[in-house]
Amino acid sequence: KQEVTQIPAALSVPEGENLVLNCSFTDSAIYNLQWFRQDPGKGLTSLLLIQSSQREQTSGRLNASLDKSSGRSTLYIAASQPGDSATYLCAVRRGYGGATNKLIFGTGTLLAVQP
Amino acid sequence: DTEVTQTPKHLVMGMTNKKSLKCEQHMGHRAMYWYKQKAKKPPELMFVYSYEKLSINESVPSRFSPECPNSSLLNLHLHALQPEDSALYLCASSQVDMGFSGNTIYFGEGSWLTVV
Repeated sequence: KQEVTQIPAALSVPEGENLVLNCSFTDSAIYNLQWFRQDPGKGLTSLLLIQSSQREQTSGRLNASLDKSSGRSTLYIAASQPGDSATYLCAVRRGYGGATNKLIFGTGTLLAVQP
Repeated sequence: DTEVTQTPKHLVMGMTNKKSLKCEQHMGHRAMYWYKQKAKKPPELMFVYSYEKLSINESVPSRFSPECPNSSLLNLHLHALQPEDSALYLCASSQVDMGFSGNTIYFGEGSWLTVV
């Protein structure tokens, strides 16, 4: 059974710092991995998707990497801003057909960026 | 337009009520999903529809009844719920993958359900 864990569970940093969020998964046979952001009481916003054949993806100040063999992904946020404060969730997708078409979410990292 | 719209945003219902949650997308996506999220927990999959047919039911109690009347709409019918069913219900959609692993799953803002 796939298990997805995120470390740390909570993180507080001063504005302007670069930071790394970690995601680990137990089954390396994944289809893709997606990073989401969730603001309090809101839905999920997709940040980056890394296909199983890719090593990293970048969008603005965000960079996500994937190492399937070790079961790890990282989300790097450069020059953090107070507006980055949210819960960050990683999710692995097992496959695309039938019973494998599902996202398994990690436990989340609650990020607070202090002005 | 990458929008998934959910209504209502908030719903309070008694244990004997019948209500429905609605979800709509106009991105041409043919896969739609219902997730349940309890406070401070990650979302958990409930149902998946592919081409308007139910493809995954994660052993959800029958008091939750999904319906996909057309390719843009997804409903979740609620009946005889329990207080522990109170949660944020998230709808999502995506392209149906045919081996291309780059299809993003898009989520709505969710419907907050309180069962009293």
